[in-house]
Amino acid sequence: NAGVTQTPKFQVLKTGQSMTLQCAQDMNHEYMSWYRQDPGMGLRLIHYSVGAGITDQGEVPNGYNVSRSTTEDFPLRLLSAAPSQTSVYFCASSYGGRTSGEQFFGPGTRLTVL
Amino acid sequence: GQQVMQIPQYQHVQEGEDFTTYCNSSTTLSNIQWYKQRPGGHPVFLIQLVKSGEVKKQKRLTFQFGEAKKNSSLHITATQTTDVGTYFCAGLYNFNKFYFGSGTKLNVKP
Repeated sequence: NAGVTQTPKFQVLKTGQSMTLQCAQDMNHEYMSWYRQDPGMGLRLIHYSVGAGITDQGEVPNGYNVSRSTTEDFPLRLLSAAPSQTSVYFCASSYGGRTSGEQFFGPGTRLTVL
Repeated sequence: GQQVMQIPQYQHVQEGEDFTTYCNSSTTLSNIQWYKQRPGGHPVFLIQLVKSGEVKKQKRLTFQFGEAKKNSSLHITATQTTDVGTYFCAGLYNFNKFYFGSGTKLNVKP
């Protein structure tokens, strides 16, 4: 099993550009989520999904879109990149449900917006 | 909004000393998880606590969940250099939203 994979690992964007961060898992997990981590801070939830076709906003959703057309994939779209979106982005997955279970994290995408 | 406060922000200890980090939520949690992150790495799951007053041990690590399910702690006995990293708690609200604490960065001097 590959676990949770994220692409790209590094990305530099100019202000106003758009892009999609890819996330995939092969563990048949229902729950998937996107976090951003800024220096010296914890992880902040951007969007999450409790299953295919179901998404909801987290703590910091503005400027980001998500969709979940399959169980395996959960892409994160930056609509119009801003320097404030410079961060490390982590995707995570777990079985979900009322007990949630261990979240498996991908290796992260380091994004710089100039 | 929801918030999980975590203290201390940093802890420097001599190898062999004990270490504790604390998390506190203003509202009741569905459960709480603990993670460890090494510099440049991703968070790695340590444990999940679900029940009120729950205590779990993993070798030198002891995890507690408060009776009101609003606070939690991680205690490491006799730290080793391999314990270096940042420890995060993550509180689950309404069974679907995780809020992470800001983390405690542990440095262990040999």
